[in-house]
Amino acid sequence: GAGVSQTPSNKVTEKGKYVELRCDPISGHTALYWYRQSLGQGPEFLIYFQGTGAADDSGLPNDRFFAVRPEGSVSTLKIQRTERGDSAVYLCASSLGAGVGDTQYFGPGTRLTVL
Amino acid sequence: AQSVTQLDSQVPVFEEAPVELRCNYSSSVSVYLFWYVQYPNQGLQLLLKYLSGSTLVKGINGFEAEFNKSQTSFHLRKPSVHISDTAEYFCASYEGKTGGSYIPTFGRGTSLIVHP
Repeated sequence: GAGVSQTPSNKVTEKGKYVELRCDPISGHTALYWYRQSLGQGPEFLIYFQGTGAADDSGLPNDRFFAVRPEGSVSTLKIQRTERGDSAVYLCASSLGAGVGDTQYFGPGTRLTVL
Repeated sequence: AQSVTQLDSQVPVFEEAPVELRCNYSSSVSVYLFWYVQYPNQGLQLLLKYLSGSTLVKGINGFEAEFNKSQTSFHLRKPSVHISDTAEYFCASYEGKTGGSYIPTFGRGTSLIVHP
């Protein structure tokens, strides 16, 4: 079956612009996670959804970052007034449930470059 | 806050040699430890996980890891590596939070480079 997909694969934008990154999880997965991976670092948790609601957004760095999952499937990560420090690979993962034993399946990521 | 340390940023090894990738975690009441692999241009993939029970955990592709509570370690091992094992390996610790979520903290990763 299809895995987690993310679009676009690459996004180049200018400082100050608004960007949206999309994640299509595996069908039937109720939990969806967003991570940010900077160069030379491991993934850093941003936010997680259980169904349509954000169950934990403690990793969002500031109020320029926002994510939605209106129908409990596709999710969009939105970044306002982008800064050069936002440049990173943004990863999405989904799992059947949100328990620690539920395997997270990762997408290939969106590489965001802010000029 | 939990933390995960991967002591080696890069590990070069010859094909068919054994390898150990080191991971240490900060002590916590409940410890759930994972290893992920990231092949070039692909997403992270779960290799193995320790939730409870036997401290020796076996995963995919011949990898195994041992949970050592006294040394707060979860080192990854493989007795004989292949060229195809060349990838980035991430250790992660999951912490249970109020509300029932489990949020991971990842190490910085270890690049395993297998030479012919």
